[in-house]
Amino acid sequence: EVQLVESGGGLVQPGRSLRLSCTTSGFTFGDYAMNWVRQAPGKGLEWVGFIRSKAYGGTAEYAASVKGTLTISRDDSRSIAYLQMNSLKTEDTAVYYCSRAGDPEYYYYGLDVWGQGTTVTVSS
Amino acid sequence: DIQLTQSPSFLSASVGDRVTITCRASQGISSSLAWYQQKPGKAPKLLIYAASTLQSGVPSRFSGSGSGTEFTLTISSLQPEDFATYYCQQLNSYPWTFGQGTKVEIK
Repeated sequence: EVQLVESGGGLVQPGRSLRLSCTTSGFTFGDYAMNWVRQAPGKGLEWVGFIRSKAYGGTAEYAASVKGTLTISRDDSRSIAYLQMNSLKTEDTAVYYCSRAGDPEYYYYGLDVWGQGTTVTVSS
Repeated sequence: DIQLTQSPSFLSASVGDRVTITCRASQGISSSLAWYQQKPGKAPKLLIYAASTLQSGVPSRFSGSGSGTEFTLTISSLQPEDFATYYCQQLNSYPWTFGQGTKVEIK
């Protein structure tokens, strides 16, 4: 069974950093691009960014709103994707989901598997 | 950035109704559009990708159509488990973006 499990969320003060992890199982992690999507309380979904598989360069793309403060990385040996969050602001408060791109090459297949989410609260 | 506008933002419908949700893109995105269903407190679930392809395991009462800038998600006969919020997402150009969501509630 394909599974994604996020961890690392919690309460953090503005300006501090946090690293979220997405631990995966049930598929060949290294073959797939991995995404992060967030949802502020009572709001809609916001795509944060994704990281390509090494076969497609292993590079990342980001939403403009997070560029420079959030960094996505991956450890294929451990089947884990990471979201490093720096200089956190109150507006970063959200549930953060990781998700898998539905096809290793054709991203229009959508995001086919999602984790349960981890909550990040930025508050003093 | 490509903006996606869903309409309506909210709709009230009865079990058995045919429901249609529209997603309009601010510029052409070919068929690079996905639809998701989200229930309260749960992660989104992929329903449709490439505008009209049903994800494995999704009931056939769900269908998608469109290309370019206008897309629709149709539920042919609304079931109790379909009451949820629906989002479209474009995967044509970065940054990928979501629509604002359409909440489907019981009439």
